[in-house]
Amino acid sequence: QSVLTQPPSVSAAPGQKVAISCSGGSSNIGNNYVSWYQQLPGTAPKLLIYDNNKRPSGIPDRFSGSKSGTSATLGITGLQTGDEADYYCGTWDSSLSAGVFGGGTKLTVL
Amino acid sequence: EVQLVESGGGLIQPGGSLRLSCAASGFTVSSNYMSWVRQAPGKGLEWVSVIYSGGSTYYADSVKGRFTISRDNSKNTLYLQMNSLRAEDTAVYYCARGRGQIDFWGQGTLVTVSS
Repeated sequence: QSVLTQPPSVSAAPGQKVAISCSGGSSNIGNNYVSWYQQLPGTAPKLLIYDNNKRPSGIPDRFSGSKSGTSATLGITGLQTGDEADYYCGTWDSSLSAGVFGGGTKLTVL
Repeated sequence: EVQLVESGGGLIQPGGSLRLSCAASGFTVSSNYMSWVRQAPGKGLEWVSVIYSGGSTYYADSVKGRFTISRDNSKNTLYLQMNSLRAEDTAVYYCARGRGQIDFWGQGTLVTVSS
């Protein structure tokens, strides 16, 4: 059981957009920055979003992040087949003194 | 260029010990939060441990008392000493820069605990 809650799967057609939610609590999302990671099959995770809504160099602006209270959302527009991957949210939990991740969301581009 | 290269994984019997290493380049390990994150086969990411620049360490409850994170500043290398290994410790172990937010990940090293 993950501390952060994500939907197990989402799907959409190429060119469309999706939103992936991440729900937590006051000790994690509520008081710490949220990051998002993309994990393509057989590879290590890659940072997509940090500090709730910032993109590292090289990440296209089709990817966006937002946070409100104890929830965060990853948005992806202009879906491509290459976006099919597992997506994870993560943050620090100040009460646990531990890093925490969501259970992951598998994105299928139909 | 930032690089993290893990080594030391392999097949180990339950109750055994293993030490993972992570050689870093392109930045200084001792100046950053450095973490270990694992992923069991077909499962999600699980945070394992972090070491702060000041030397403080924290662990997930699932490994507390069995695993020890450390670093060698002269070698710019991060370690994870894993003792009393259990079948449920079987996973790919990633070395990572960061704490709650990870900006660079290694390629991972597979640890299999089985008799």
